[in-house]
Amino acid sequence: EDKVVQSPLSLVVHEGDTVTLNCSYEVTNFRSLLWYKQEKKAPTFLFMLTSSGIEKKSGRLSSILDKKELFSILNITATQTGDSAIYLCAVLLWRGGGSQGNLIFGKGTKLSVKP
Amino acid sequence: DAGVTQSPTHLIKTRGQHVTLRCSPISGHKSVSWYQQVLGQGPQFIFQYYEKEERGRGNFPDRFSARQFPNYSSELNVNALLLGDSALYLCASSIRGGMGTGELFFGEGSRLTVL
Repeated sequence: EDKVVQSPLSLVVHEGDTVTLNCSYEVTNFRSLLWYKQEKKAPTFLFMLTSSGIEKKSGRLSSILDKKELFSILNITATQTGDSAIYLCAVLLWRGGGSQGNLIFGKGTKLSVKP
Repeated sequence: DAGVTQSPTHLIKTRGQHVTLRCSPISGHKSVSWYQQVLGQGPQFIFQYYEKEERGRGNFPDRFSARQFPNYSSELNVNALLLGDSALYLCASSIRGGMGTGELFFGEGSRLTVL
């Protein structure tokens, strides 16, 4: 059975701290790994990772994928209270027969940043 | 430009009733996917439609059905509601069914409570 496991499930830090969120996966037909931020309802896209070892950065956020060890990390430096959210990791699978890929999500990491 | 819009935003039903949830994708997007997010869990894939055809189905009972219209909007129908169907139902659109851009844009969701 395809599965995506995130850790920790929750995390409380203070502004200015650096955090690392983990995502491991066991799936068939891996295509890409994606990170989303969910503040209230709609998850918003952060990164898509397809190749191992290539870091993607956006401001204070960065992420990297290790396809050999089957995991990814999301780093947030100099955290701010606005970073408080649930961070979701998802794996996009290849589907054959003309069907399209779908995402398998982890349970998410709830990050709380205190002033 | 409007994002993905879903209606209704909240609704309360009783066991045994049916519900119809609606989704309008971003203009120009031809693929719509539906996800169920139970409290404390990551979203779980229900259906994907591309060019009005079903292109993927998750592990949900036949009580769940969906369709996509010529204008690419979509409906998710759930019959014979159970308490366990209480969840946030997320609709997501992408330009292509295969998510070549890596970006899946989510709506704010429809919060369904079954009593």
